[in-house]
Amino acid sequence: NAGVTQTPKFQVLKTGQSMTLQCAQDMNHNSMYWYRQDPGMGLRLIYYSASEGTTDKGEVPNGYNVSRLNKREFSLRLESAAPSQTSVYFCASSGRTGPTDTQYFGPGTRLTVL
Amino acid sequence: SQQGEEDPQALSIQEGENATMNCSYKTSINNLQWYRQNSGRGLVHLILIRSNEREKHSGRLRVTLDTSKKSSSLLITASRAADTASYFCAAFMGTSYGKLTFGQGTILTVHP
Repeated sequence: NAGVTQTPKFQVLKTGQSMTLQCAQDMNHNSMYWYRQDPGMGLRLIYYSASEGTTDKGEVPNGYNVSRLNKREFSLRLESAAPSQTSVYFCASSGRTGPTDTQYFGPGTRLTVL
Repeated sequence: SQQGEEDPQALSIQEGENATMNCSYKTSINNLQWYRQNSGRGLVHLILIRSNEREKHSGRLRVTLDTSKKSSSLLITASRAADTASYFCAAFMGTSYGKLTFGQGTILTVHP
């Protein structure tokens, strides 16, 4: 099993460009998450999907949209990239949204917006 | 603001020594989780402690939780160079959705 995979690993964008970050999991998990990690800030939740067909905002959703394409895939879209969106983006999944559930993380996408 | 505040921000020790990292949080939690992140990689779950538990062990890891002080600590005993990583606490609030709130992390360096 690959676990949680993310593409691309690295991306450089110019301000105003758009792009989609892809995430897939092969663990048959119900819930998926997108986080961003900035230096000294820990991880902050952007959006999450408790189950296929549902999405909800996290702590920092502005400037992003998501799509839960099917149970396996959860994509994050930047419609008009800004330098403030320079960050490392992590996708995660968990079996349930219950309180004792562990989240499994992908390797991350390092995004630079010039 | 971050639910979890970690202390210290960075810790440098010699192999064989113990490493202690602390985490404080602001509101009531259902459980508190600790994750590890190696440089350039994703996070890996280490251990979870429920709000009704006071101490939990997993191998060389010992986690304590003091809900009256809203704090937790992670102890790594007999550290190894391979333990060099960033360690994050994450607070789980609520009951029915899987949103974790992460602290800013402690960077641990273990010198051989």
